[in-house]
Amino acid sequence: RKEVEQDPGPFNVPEGATVAFNCTYSNSASQSFFWYRQDCRKEPKLLMSVYSSGNEDGRFTAQLNRASQYISLLIRDSKLSDSATYLCVVNTNAGKSTFGDGTTLTVKP
Amino acid sequence: EPEVTQTPSHQVTQMGQEVILRCVPISNHLYFYWYRQILGQKVEFLVSFYNNEISEKSEIFDDQFSVERPDGSNFTLKIRSTKLEDSAMYFCARGTADRTQPQHFGDGTRLSIL
Repeated sequence: RKEVEQDPGPFNVPEGATVAFNCTYSNSASQSFFWYRQDCRKEPKLLMSVYSSGNEDGRFTAQLNRASQYISLLIRDSKLSDSATYLCVVNTNAGKSTFGDGTTLTVKP
Repeated sequence: EPEVTQTPSHQVTQMGQEVILRCVPISNHLYFYWYRQILGQKVEFLVSFYNNEISEKSEIFDDQFSVERPDGSNFTLKIRSTKLEDSAMYFCARGTADRTQPQHFGDGTRLSIL
């Protein structure tokens, strides 16, 4: 089983759509959780941290369920500029980041 | 502007040669990480480095690889006797003492082994 598993994708949606990405992790000792986005051949860039209480940043909402070892990202009113690969990242308490394979989103006009 | 600068942006090397990839933090950070991403695959952890010592390394990080911080500023990844399968993007990331905080990545070095 993969340590971090994401929806395989790709997701192709029209502008303005709402899209949700799912992620599960296998290590119950994982300490911190993040969503990064990665544009083609570029570095991963932090999108948002994920907290147990759920958190929102503009059109983006992240949720964490520790009992189910499940993380989600919701994007509302999607824009063309949201097209990217979204990476679910889980950190151990030693700081090592484990990445999912990523889910590619294409937003079309 | 990235918090971590990596050089070179692209390195082309003949198989069997040694390469040194460099990471220069803008501020004086102590926690560094190297990751690699083979084209079309996921980002993979290589090694973490704290206070001039390796704190954790993956199975990928074998004797072919080494890291050091020779001048207290630059953080380097050396790959000896490169193989074709070493072709990948290599990312340096910086972290903080609070390991629950996210890491921030440099813009990467694309390594091409011929």
